[in-house]
Amino acid sequence: NAGVTQTPKFQVLKTGQSMTLQCAQDMNHNSMYWYRQDPGMGLRLIYYSASEGTTDKGEVPNGYNVSRLNKREFSLRLESAAPSQTSVYFCASSGLGAPGETQYFGPGTRLLVL
Amino acid sequence: KQEVTQIPAALSVPEGENLVLNCSFTDSAIYNLQWFRQDPGKGLTSLLLIQSSQREQTSGRLNASLDKSSGRSTLYIAASQPGDSATYLCAGNYGGATNKLIFGTGTLLAVQP
Repeated sequence: NAGVTQTPKFQVLKTGQSMTLQCAQDMNHNSMYWYRQDPGMGLRLIYYSASEGTTDKGEVPNGYNVSRLNKREFSLRLESAAPSQTSVYFCASSGLGAPGETQYFGPGTRLLVL
Repeated sequence: KQEVTQIPAALSVPEGENLVLNCSFTDSAIYNLQWFRQDPGKGLTSLLLIQSSQREQTSGRLNASLDKSSGRSTLYIAASQPGDSATYLCAGNYGGATNKLIFGTGTLLAVQP
């Protein structure tokens, strides 16, 4: 039981390049989330998926797209990376996405955009 | 606006000392409040979750309290150890369609041997 896994662990991009961050969970959870963590800002929600086939914007969605490929996988895509997207990205999941439900976090992807 | 604040941003204590980390939130309409631990270069590990109807939760040397009326939560760590060194984050869960978590910016704890 691996929980929430993320790939890659580290990535360096040049401005304008694109990439996809991968996330998978093996807990049969319905809801999945993408956050970014910046110094002095705390974690902020980028996008979430309440269930397979649905996605919605969070607090800071600009510059990102997501795909809920199936119940296990939720990917985050940067179409044209910008230095402002340098951050640590965390994926999380929760069972039903019910109010107050615990979210389980992956180890993070550290992204540097030059 | 829903905001969560953690003070101090950093704390250094000698091994064996008892310590308290503080978390305050502006909107008291939370479902629960959760404390996480984050080690350098790692993800978040949930430590304690206090439901809005509860006053405190305990796990081993950790005790978390919640006072909704004052908008405050504290994490008490007894007999601190060097292995407790990490960043501690609190997050208020406001539910809704997103099961929304509002995170504080964390307290970086260093326990000196």
